[in-house]
Amino acid sequence: DGGITQSPKYLFRKEGQNVTLSCEQNLNHDAMYWYRQDPGQGLRLIYYSQIVNDFQKGDIAEGYSVSREKKESFPLTVTSAQKNPTAFYLCATGGGRTDTQYFGPGTRLTVL
Amino acid sequence: KNEVEQSPQNLTAQEGEFITINCSYSVGISALHWLQQHPGGGIVSLFMLSSGKKKHGRLIATINIQEKHSSLHITASHPRDSAVYICAVRFGTNAGKSTFGDGTTLTVKP
Repeated sequence: DGGITQSPKYLFRKEGQNVTLSCEQNLNHDAMYWYRQDPGQGLRLIYYSQIVNDFQKGDIAEGYSVSREKKESFPLTVTSAQKNPTAFYLCATGGGRTDTQYFGPGTRLTVL
Repeated sequence: KNEVEQSPQNLTAQEGEFITINCSYSVGISALHWLQQHPGGGIVSLFMLSSGKKKHGRLIATINIQEKHSSLHITASHPRDSAVYICAVRFGTNAGKSTFGDGTTLTVKP
């Protein structure tokens, strides 16, 4: 089954705790992305990685961290420094012949 | 102010109607992407285009580079078309440098 897996679908955390969101892909795409979506707003880029062991900050990287140790995996950590972490988080990959983006099912994070 | 403007923000139609969703952007782009987001949150890519027109089933996407405008049309709309439609523009060769519109929420009533 080809695609992008994000887990869990729903995540609840207490304020002040770090939390890591998983993103795994078996599409063999080089590029991977993390987006945040808030109600009624467009997707905003948090971090992206175009190759293993390399990643760049997006538009709203503060309070987040990532790693890219394997091509298949691009986990996102939401740290306690993120002031308003409750949101819907989407992982995407890019590449292939058409260079289009493919999106995972998303993780809805709620910080209590 | 978003560099990518979608209109309308919300759209309600009766089954069978012809639907048009618009996307305007402010600077030159390398590609434009139409996406569909289902109520559960999953996003599906519909079209990526840099010129002209593309068609897939009942969906048609057009782009006018000179006018910096794209439209997504749905013919013979159906309740299963109810979703949020998102326009994203790419300003360079890196997909990560895309800017997303706020989305158009479409509801098709039977």
